[in-house]
Amino acid sequence: GAGVSQTPSNKVTEKGKYVELRCDPISGHTALYWYRQSLGQGPEFLIYFQGTGAADDSGLPNDRFFAVRPEGSVSTLKIQRTERGDSAVYLCASSRGRAYNEQFFGPGTRLTVL
Amino acid sequence: SQQGEEDPQALSIQEGENATMNCSYKTSINNLQWYRQNSGRGLVHLILIRSNEREKHSGRLRVTLDTSKKSSSLLITASRAADTASYFCATDAQGAQKLVFGQGTRLTINP
Repeated sequence: GAGVSQTPSNKVTEKGKYVELRCDPISGHTALYWYRQSLGQGPEFLIYFQGTGAADDSGLPNDRFFAVRPEGSVSTLKIQRTERGDSAVYLCASSRGRAYNEQFFGPGTRLTVL
Repeated sequence: SQQGEEDPQALSIQEGENATMNCSYKTSINNLQWYRQNSGRGLVHLILIRSNEREKHSGRLRVTLDTSKKSSSLLITASRAADTASYFCATDAQGAQKLVFGQGTRLTINP
């Protein structure tokens, strides 16, 4: 595809449930990033993959959050035992890699935890 | 935590006028990027300026970077109603790939 895609576009879940958010990066982009954006704020970094490995996961708020990128392309962000404070727009971005850090963002997944 | 701060937080101007937004940051950087966001969803990449550059142009956009003051400005000339959006600056600190965003400037262009 031409750009970064994310599914679902909206997810409503109940407190305590498990959710998975998917990101398809731009073809050929080796770097993939997850960010979280709360209302009225700028995006905040969660995790960065270079290829299949998580190169920087310093932004994950706690161990309920986990992300994988098993084949170096599609990534899944997993949130266990969701809490109301997890409600936000989750943004995925990709870039060509270390020397080319223009990051291109997907449309985001709006997560609402009831 | 957010490194950058945009100024002003909100800006409302008439169509055809120029809009200037400023961004300040705290640490040494590799690059500074500006993004636009409509309706709280995906961010559109506007322009990247490297730490060794001082000014860059792209269409109606002009970005300046002053690393001694740790600040940048985004100028949109001849504004249009379609420029109404939130604008964010984002920096990647030296040695890091992650972007650190400011809180954004909400720009409204009045017809």
